Amino acid sequence: DAGVTQSPTHLIKTRGQQVTLRCSPKSGHDTVSWYQQALGQGPQFIFQYYEEEERQRGNFPDRFSGHQFPNYSSELNVNALLLGDSALYLCASSFSAGSSGNTIYFGEGSWLTVV
Amino acid sequence: AQRVTQPEKLLSVFKGAPVELKCNYSYSGSPELFWYVQYSRQRLQLLLRHISRESIKGFTADLNKGETSFHLKKPFAQEEDSAMYYCALRRSSNTGKLIFGQGTTLQVKP
Repeated sequence: DAGVTQSPTHLIKTRGQQVTLRCSPKSGHDTVSWYQQALGQGPQFIFQYYEEEERQRGNFPDRFSGHQFPNYSSELNVNALLLGDSALYLCASSFSAGSSGNTIYFGEGSWLTVV
Repeated sequence: AQRVTQPEKLLSVFKGAPVELKCNYSYSGSPELFWYVQYSRQRLQLLLRHISRESIKGFTADLNKGETSFHLKKPFAQEEDSAMYYCALRRSSNTGKLIFGQGTTLQVKP
């Protein structure tokens, strides 16, 4: 089991551009969450997807959007990039949004640099 | 508001010394508390969860609801324990949203 996989690992974008990051959850997991981790900070929750719907959202603007596909993989889209969007974007997966006690597994992240 | 506070950005100890990484939280309900660890160039991984009450790699953590703390302890630090440690909180009714502290870098010197 490869665990949670993310792509790309690194990318550089220009202010105003749009970016799409991809995530495949750990085998057997159906819930995907995205986090933003700025340098020197802990990860911050962006949103969670379950059954192809956004179930919960953190304090992020509408420029951040996502999608979950029938195979449970997910995309994070960020529009109109700002310099402040430069961060490590982490994908996390778990089984079943409605159950407590399930372990959340993280991917290695996608490093986004906005110039 | 839910919040996790790790007051120390860096904790430096010698090999064999005891270690205590502090974590305090604010939450009105009954949260789940976790410690995640990130070794150099590796992904974030779960170290401990309070509901398991287990010891992993010699680390333990006890949830103190009165003091709203979940400090991570190890009696004898090893060099391989050097890493970034994050304390995180999750509402027991929700599986996706973890609230993280800012992290503490543990440096174990030989």
